Amino acid sequence: QVQLQESGPGLVKPSETLSLTCTVSGASITDYSWSWIRQPPGKGLEWIAFVYYSGSTSYNPSLTSRGTISVDTSKNQFYLRLNSVTAADTAVYYCARAIFGRFDPWGQGTLVTVSS
Amino acid sequence: EIVLTQSPGTLSLSPGERATLSCRASQNFGSSFLAWYQQKPGQAPRLLIYGASSRATGIPDRFSGSGSGTDFTLTISRLEPEDFAVYHCQQYGSSPSMYTFGQGTKLEIK
Repeated sequence: QVQLQESGPGLVKPSETLSLTCTVSGASITDYSWSWIRQPPGKGLEWIAFVYYSGSTSYNPSLTSRGTISVDTSKNQFYLRLNSVTAADTAVYYCARAIFGRFDPWGQGTLVTVSS
Repeated sequence: EIVLTQSPGTLSLSPGERATLSCRASQNFGSSFLAWYQQKPGQAPRLLIYGASSRATGIPDRFSGSGSGTDFTLTISRLEPEDFAVYHCQQYGSSPSMYTFGQGTKLEIK
């Protein structure tokens, strides 16, 4: 079955860049679309970005152009970079397969804390 | 941008009771793109319902979804102890591609 695993630093300093990797197993990354979603502690879910294997992307306007999502088909991975982070970007970050307008399955999530 | 409003914020019920959770959209969109997720503490969300009323693989039939237009409902017919969790609704819009979540409903044991 399809499985996703997030990886990346758990601590990022304010104003720096958050970089995360999602490794996909059990499916080819070229067969589907993929997304990043985050959840600040104690709060709801927020969709961040979407990428199709061809490189087509879409972003949540609330990111104010700070985010970049990309895919590496040779590694079966996709990525998120978020620039100029602040404490408001502290959250559990999930990667997920985006299929017909829904997310399934999800990775287990990785907590990223923005702090000096 | 479509806004999803879930109600109630918290629902207190006992095992065996029926739960009815609401998700209201700020404007009409295709019901094909309305999904519900269950999230337990410390876990990732799990897809329950897609297309407003179709159960995802492995989801018990006590979970059902309904609705169209701007009003959608998740019903759990008889609550089991493992059903107490947070439930999120989510919609997808295609022009431009955009996903939106509701703020969640916490279903707690009374």
